[in-house]
Amino acid sequence: NAGVTQTPKFRVLKTGQSMTLLCAQDMNHEYMYWYRQDPGMGLRLIHYSVGEGTTAKGEVPDGYNVSRLKKQNFLLGLESAAPSQTSVYFCASSYSRQGRNQPQHFGDGTRLSIL
Amino acid sequence: AQSVAQPEDQVNVAEGNPLTVKCTYSVSGNPYLFWYVQYPNRGLQFLLKYITGDNLVKGSYGFEAEFNKSQTSFHLKKPSALVSDSALYFCAVRDVMNDMRFGAGTRLTVKP
Repeated sequence: NAGVTQTPKFRVLKTGQSMTLLCAQDMNHEYMYWYRQDPGMGLRLIHYSVGEGTTAKGEVPDGYNVSRLKKQNFLLGLESAAPSQTSVYFCASSYSRQGRNQPQHFGDGTRLSIL
Repeated sequence: AQSVAQPEDQVNVAEGNPLTVKCTYSVSGNPYLFWYVQYPNRGLQFLLKYITGDNLVKGSYGFEAEFNKSQTSFHLKKPSALVSDSALYFCAVRDVMNDMRFGAGTRLTVKP
């Protein structure tokens, strides 16, 4: 049981480049989330999805787009990377029963540096 | 909007001693409270949560947390710390209308 898998684990980009981070979960969870983790700031929600084909904005959505074409996958896109987007990105998923009070299961993160 | 504060960046304890990691919160309405732990180069792992009911919540690895509504606190505790408990701990809160908000994290170091 792999849980939540994020690819790639590391990436270095130049300013203005684009890329997509992939998150896959094999737990049949309805809800999926993308967070960024920055020193001293905890985790901040970028976007989330409550089911296949649906997405919603979180606390810090600017500069990012997401898609949930399949239930098991949640993609995070950076169209034009900026140095301020240097961060560690975490994907998480959870069951939908009782709404969003279920514990979230996290991947091991993608470390992204924008030069 | 809800918020959560972890007033200590770092907590140091000796192995075998009790540990406390502090968390205070602010929400409108009833809070839903969580503790997660993060080991180096890993994602967060769920420890425990308070939704309703008993104020003392027991979780994984011998951890527990006490919900105190009057003090708006949800401190994480363990009676006897282990060196392997050394990690980064996050408190999180949400209310019924909003998304989860995480604290900045507290680094726990348990010394032999």
